Amino acid sequence: EAEVAQSPRYKITEKSQAVAFWCDPISGHATLYWYRQILGQGPELLVQFQDESVVDDSQLPKDRFSAERLKGVDSTLKIQPAELGDSAMYLCASSHSGQGDYGYTFGSGTRLTVV
Amino acid sequence: AQKITQTQPGMFVQEKEAVTLDCTYDTSDQSYGLFWYKQPSSGEMIFLIYQGSYDEQNATEGRYSLNFQKARKSANLVISASQLGDSAMYFCAMSVFNKFYFGSGTKLNVKP
Repeated sequence: EAEVAQSPRYKITEKSQAVAFWCDPISGHATLYWYRQILGQGPELLVQFQDESVVDDSQLPKDRFSAERLKGVDSTLKIQPAELGDSAMYLCASSHSGQGDYGYTFGSGTRLTVV
Repeated sequence: AQKITQTQPGMFVQEKEAVTLDCTYDTSDQSYGLFWYKQPSSGEMIFLIYQGSYDEQNATEGRYSLNFQKARKSANLVISASQLGDSAMYFCAMSVFNKFYFGSGTKLNVKP
């Protein structure tokens, strides 16, 4: 069964350090999403890509977060510098058309702890 | 504005009994999709069930069914014959125009 791959699974970093997460969506899925999920809350969208273009990054803290999907396939989310409040689960998801229904598939996530 | 509301932070259910997790939504759009996801402690989001706004029949997937009441804007998840492995966080979500909105989740504990 096709999966959305994410790495690393867990990451511990010191505040003010840089950290990066990687996501490889299901082959052929044009839409890719990065979500942040703080413990005890629902996921919130950080950035949405359609192919290599950003279609929504309104909730992305652009002073410290950046995201890219250079060839329209895999994607990297970076935080620099990391802050204590960035501790959360970072989930990547992909869909074929972005239209929802059965098309959203999530990766296993990266659990970030900033110390 | 789009909004998903889950009013039950936590629920307990006895093994083998049925349980209903509540979800209400708010949107002015006529075309939308409603989802339920399960998130075990390991963190991955597992798709359970989908209901389209134009679907007249309630969706069912095995032990999961979605009680869709469009006039009330509710999309409750019913789990029949609960199992210990059903203990997890459950999220209701809505997709509107390529955007996805999540509720705050309900933590379900299944007691043996």
